[in-house]
Amino acid sequence: QVHLVQSGPEVKKPGASVKVSCKASGYSFDSAGISWVRQAPGQGLEWVGWVSSYNDNRKYSPKFQARVTLTADTSSSTAYMELRNLRSDDTGFYFCARIQRGSGTILDYWGQGTQVTVSS
Amino acid sequence: EIVLTQSPSTLSLSPGEGVTLSCRASQSVTSRYLAWYQQRPGQAPRLLIYGASNRATGVPDRFRGSGSGTDFTLTITRLEPEDFAVYYCQQSWTFGQGTKVEIK
Repeated sequence: QVHLVQSGPEVKKPGASVKVSCKASGYSFDSAGISWVRQAPGQGLEWVGWVSSYNDNRKYSPKFQARVTLTADTSSSTAYMELRNLRSDDTGFYFCARIQRGSGTILDYWGQGTQVTVSS
Repeated sequence: EIVLTQSPSTLSLSPGEGVTLSCRASQSVTSRYLAWYQQRPGQAPRLLIYGASNRATGVPDRFRGSGSGTDFTLTITRLEPEDFAVYYCQQSWTFGQGTKVEIK
């Protein structure tokens, strides 16, 4: 079955960068894109962006556009999210999720989440 | 930009009761891209409904999605203990703020 396994928790200082990984298994990685979603403490879900696993397409939320890079490595079936110039309000859980094939935006399988803490 | 407004913010109910959650869009949206997710405490979200009314794999039939245009609903016909969670609607890359269903 489909599994997305994310890297472990991170603690970073303001201004630093973080790179979170999301390893996929149980399906053909290059058949579906990966999206990233943030959840600040006690808050709702916020879309970060998505990346195609089979071509070079990607799209970012305007809120994160200047600081985020999403990539997908088909050789290792792993997607990555790098967020730069971290601020304290970047603290939260970051989830990767598979984009349901043919749907465009429906997220049918999710990773367990990676907690990122930004603190001086 | 489309805004999704979910109501109510919180519901206090007992197991066995039924509930209907609302998701209203600021403008007419395509039902094909309307989804509902469940998030239990400490867990990742889980897809429940896609295309406004289609249950995702493994989702019990007590969960029912409906609606079109600007108004969508998620109905749980009979709450089980594991259904007490936060529910989010999504349209394209916008999420509603969530409705928490808590145990009375």
